[in-house]
Amino acid sequence: KAGVTQTPRYLIKTRGQQVTLSCSPISGHRSVSWYQQTPGQGLQFLFEYFSETQRNKGNFPGRFSGRQFSNSRSEMNVSTLELGDSALYLCASSHGGIGPREQYFGPGTRLTVT
Amino acid sequence: DQQVKQNSPSLSVQEGRISILNCDYTNSMFDYFLWYKKYPAEGPTFLISISSIKDKNEDGRFTVFLNKSAKHLSLHIVPSQPGDSAVYFCAAGGGADGLTFGKGTHLIIQP
Repeated sequence: KAGVTQTPRYLIKTRGQQVTLSCSPISGHRSVSWYQQTPGQGLQFLFEYFSETQRNKGNFPGRFSGRQFSNSRSEMNVSTLELGDSALYLCASSHGGIGPREQYFGPGTRLTVT
Repeated sequence: DQQVKQNSPSLSVQEGRISILNCDYTNSMFDYFLWYKKYPAEGPTFLISISSIKDKNEDGRFTVFLNKSAKHLSLHIVPSQPGDSAVYFCAAGGGADGLTFGKGTHLIIQP
């Protein structure tokens, strides 16, 4: 079974621009979650999508948004980029049911904002 | 306020010995816990999970122990191998919420 894939792997943007990151979950998984990883804050939950609906949201500003398509693929958008948005953005997929939900992570997209 | 804490940023263990990684949490609403392993430039890899109704779960060389009254869990790796050198993250979840991660412990296995 193919794992979670994320594109692009690396991205360099300037302040004020916007960016869209893409995630393809494991086949059959209906839940996609996004996380931001920085050296100081560790892994922080952004949001989760399940069946094309945002099911839960972390504590990030509205500049961070996402969506999920009918094939479970998900995109994350960050508008008006700030230097502090430089991070590794990780996507994880799971079956999405209730109970221990093992999430499987992609390799991440390394975003650098200059 | 950190709800999941890994108080040891790094841990060095001799090959063949036991590695014990610790994690504390504050939110009593968490009902399952997971451990992930992460190599540089890769996403975290799921290792093992435990439901809050259990106190132990074992999978090969990996065992997770949960002490609900102390809000503490630990991951035991026996015996430790060189390939175990990585950053280990403890994570907790409950209901439909996303996972809350600790900041990780860098495990170094020495030959």
